[in-house]
Amino acid sequence: SQQGEEDPQALSIQEGENATMNCSYKTSINNLQWYRQNSGRGLVHLILIRSNEREKHSGRLRVTLDTSKKSSSLLITASRAADTASYFCATGLIQGAQKLVFGQGTRLTINP
Amino acid sequence: DTEVTQTPKHLVMGMTNKKSLKCEQHMGHRAMYWYKQKAKKPPELMFVYSYEKLSINESVPSRFSPECPNSSLLNLHLHALQPEDSALYLCASSQGGGRPLTGELFFGEGSRLTVL
Repeated sequence: SQQGEEDPQALSIQEGENATMNCSYKTSINNLQWYRQNSGRGLVHLILIRSNEREKHSGRLRVTLDTSKKSSSLLITASRAADTASYFCATGLIQGAQKLVFGQGTRLTINP
Repeated sequence: DTEVTQTPKHLVMGMTNKKSLKCEQHMGHRAMYWYKQKAKKPPELMFVYSYEKLSINESVPSRFSPECPNSSLLNLHLHALQPEDSALYLCASSQGGGRPLTGELFFGEGSRLTVL
């Protein structure tokens, strides 16, 4: 299976609810990043968490990283219709090609 | 200026055409990337230039030819493409050019390519 696997593949919630997306990976990393992509547009960087960090906040975003379980989660609190987008995790490989590898993504729909 | 600009936004070409995609950034970033993205899939890395030299080529077919004329510009030359090459082509840049190439990426809005 792939380096970055995300679940769920799709998530639909009501406006105001919290949304949680998960990312798992297989090899050693130096950081993990989350990106948002609105339909047919470019990706926008949301947050970067380094391998020696456990939790990071940015506005309504909270990211956790558990390197022992090789997993991360992205929590969006008090969701808004404008949060509707695809969310990708990207893991920074420190072995081999030493590049970012994107997960399969979670399609988030916020219903008004 | 924190923008990565890609042109054209849309491109339709026949299988015998030669066309180019262009990307420009003025953030002083030292690494520039080409990604290919199919619908409902993650971006797939194609090429990385760091310090204007080709650093990563992900075994991309030779009908795709990258070029980095200077530190601000990145081109992707297209020739004899196949219909399955139709996709969104994304350019990105990152501040550092050294390994590992795992820094924050700044993406352009992409060029939507259709090959007939």
